[in-house]
Amino acid sequence: EIVMTQSPATLSVSPGERATLSCRASQSVSNSLAWYQQKPGQAPRLLIYDVFTRATGLPARFSGSGSGTEFTLTISSLQSEDFALYYCQQYNTWQTFGQGTKVEIK
Amino acid sequence: QVQLQESGPRMVKPSETLSLTCTVSGSSIKIGYYWGWIRQTPETGLEWIANIFLGGSSYYNPSLKSRVTISIDTSKNQFSLKLNSVTAADTAIYYCARGRQASAYDSWGQGTLVTVSS
Repeated sequence: EIVMTQSPATLSVSPGERATLSCRASQSVSNSLAWYQQKPGQAPRLLIYDVFTRATGLPARFSGSGSGTEFTLTISSLQSEDFALYYCQQYNTWQTFGQGTKVEIK
Repeated sequence: QVQLQESGPRMVKPSETLSLTCTVSGSSIKIGYYWGWIRQTPETGLEWIANIFLGGSSYYNPSLKSRVTISIDTSKNQFSLKLNSVTAADTAIYYCARGRQASAYDSWGQGTLVTVSS
């Protein structure tokens, strides 16, 4: 099983600041990497797929990068609605999710 | 816009079978996506359970494979999950989702909490 490790567990950021979330795979997942946002009581929402492709309607402040085993989700200027949980997922070999990064208001 | 809705018993007894159905609306289940089940608990986070493709191919999480069956009913625009021999560890929020071809899930149901308890 490919293990996805996200860091940090919690990220404290002020509104308007940049947030950088990391996701590391235990082995290469090629470009089969997605990011999801989840808010309390809601299902995950797809943000980014295939490493850097934004889902329909996603604001440009969200961007994905990386390859192989190291990936990053960047939110360039945090808005109030961006404070949430974020998960990465690999779908190269079966599917596995990271344990999540909570982005909270500083 | 596609919508997915999980349905099924909210409580299942230990050793019995958990059965859930996902009804897809706003899009034909026959159009080129795949369909999947994912569950979530505070302890284990998000866990992929199974996927099924229109051609009938299905794929299972190796850790659950011996207990899981996924199926699709194109006439009803639904797909289903069966998980047998459940224990308390199977208590979770179960989500159904639509997957882009060889890619991520772009639409999710709201999720349904299933509790395993006697």
